Order: sequence, then structure tokens, then C-alpha cells
Amino acid sequence: GQQVMQIPQYQHVQEGEDFTTYCNSSTTLSNIQWYKQRPGGHPVFLIQLVKSGEVKKQKRLTFQFGEAKKNSSLHITATQTTDVGTYFCARDNYGQNFVFGPGTRLSVLP
Amino acid sequence: DAGVIQSPRHEVTEMGQEVTLRCKPISGHDYLFWYRQTMMRGLELLIYFNNNVPIDDSGMPEDRFSAKMPNASFSTLKIQPSEPRDSAVYFCASRGGTGDGTNEKLFFGSGTQLSVL
Repeated sequence: GQQVMQIPQYQHVQEGEDFTTYCNSSTTLSNIQWYKQRPGGHPVFLIQLVKSGEVKKQKRLTFQFGEAKKNSSLHITATQTTDVGTYFCARDNYGQNFVFGPGTRLSVLP
Repeated sequence: DAGVIQSPRHEVTEMGQEVTLRCKPISGHDYLFWYRQTMMRGLELLIYFNNNVPIDDSGMPEDRFSAKMPNASFSTLKIQPSEPRDSAVYFCASRGGTGDGTNEKLFFGSGTQLSVL
């Protein structure tokens, strides 16, 4: 299956600053999922986006799916130390399994 | 439900030894996945099963790796013989299978940290 790329690879922010990670694909995606993995933990599902241009919010997290369904973003407003971890996007692979991006590791300095 | 259960949590072994990792998926889930996570390669899909049948094992590194799912509630990933480069965190994950977009999220186990010396 096709890969998805994520940028940046690492991001260090001061607590209270905003954070955005981007997920890009060279091919059109049927849907995109986002997961969060805390240090030493396992990936935990955050959200799935299906529709072109879709925007979903979870408290301070805003997820967007591009109009062309080739990219997606996750934006965190006013980061907190609890936001620390690696954020992965995952693309659907023919409705069977999900291929994960390399992730963006977020560090939040108190 | 207790979620996806993996054992052991940590495994330290010597090169050449056989390693068996175990996974119990969430009851009712039709799909089971084995992933390997390393700093260099990220989260790699090794193999996945649908209704206990292996569907795609193209991610299995080589013949030293094998996976089975004898029933809906149990799967194993075996490495024989193990090598230092197999050191990684191995995750098992499961999901439902209606395909209607409502329950396609993956539930991961806590993983097995494997160290091959």
C-alpha cells in the first residue's frame, strides 16, 4: 500500500503554545485515522475522518481532512504537558488494514 | 472487556533462542494485527488475520517469523531463531469488521518489549 508522510518529525513547544502536525499522501485517501502514543505506551485511537474537507474537534484538538483527501492535519491549541507523545496518522489500505505514518513526536516544556 | 491482552510484557533472550509472543484480541473482533515498532522503522505491519485466517503476511521479515491464530481468542507470533536485530516492541491489535466505517478503529495491546542479546 501507499505510504503516508508526516511533518514535522519532532516538535518541541512551550506549554501553552499551539502545535500542528501534518499528514500527506501522494494518492487520494478513502479515510484517515489519528492515534496518540504516550511514551512507553501503546497507540490509542483518537479519530477517523472520512469526508472531503471534514473538520472534527475534540476539546483542544482539531482534526482536518483536505478537500482533495490527500492530506490531513491535527492542531492542538494551548498545549499541556499531558499532550506529550507521538501522534500518528494511519491510512486505510483497501479497507483491510491501516498503514501508519512515521509519527510526530511532541515534547511540551513546562 | 479487558481490551487486547498481550504477554509477556517484557522478554529478554539470547540470540538463537525461540521466542513466542501471545495475544488475546477483544471478544467479537474479526481482525487481528501484529505490528513491530522500532525507532528506525516506526510501526510496521507484520501480518493480519481475518476470522482466524492469515490474509497478508508480506510484512513478515523472513522465515524465522511465523504467526498463528488457532481460534478467535488467541494468536501467537513466534521467532525462531531470534537475532539481536529482532529487538523491538511488538504490538497486537484488533478491530471489528463490518466495513461500514463505524468500528474500524484499532485497539492495541500494551505490547511486548523484546530484547535479544
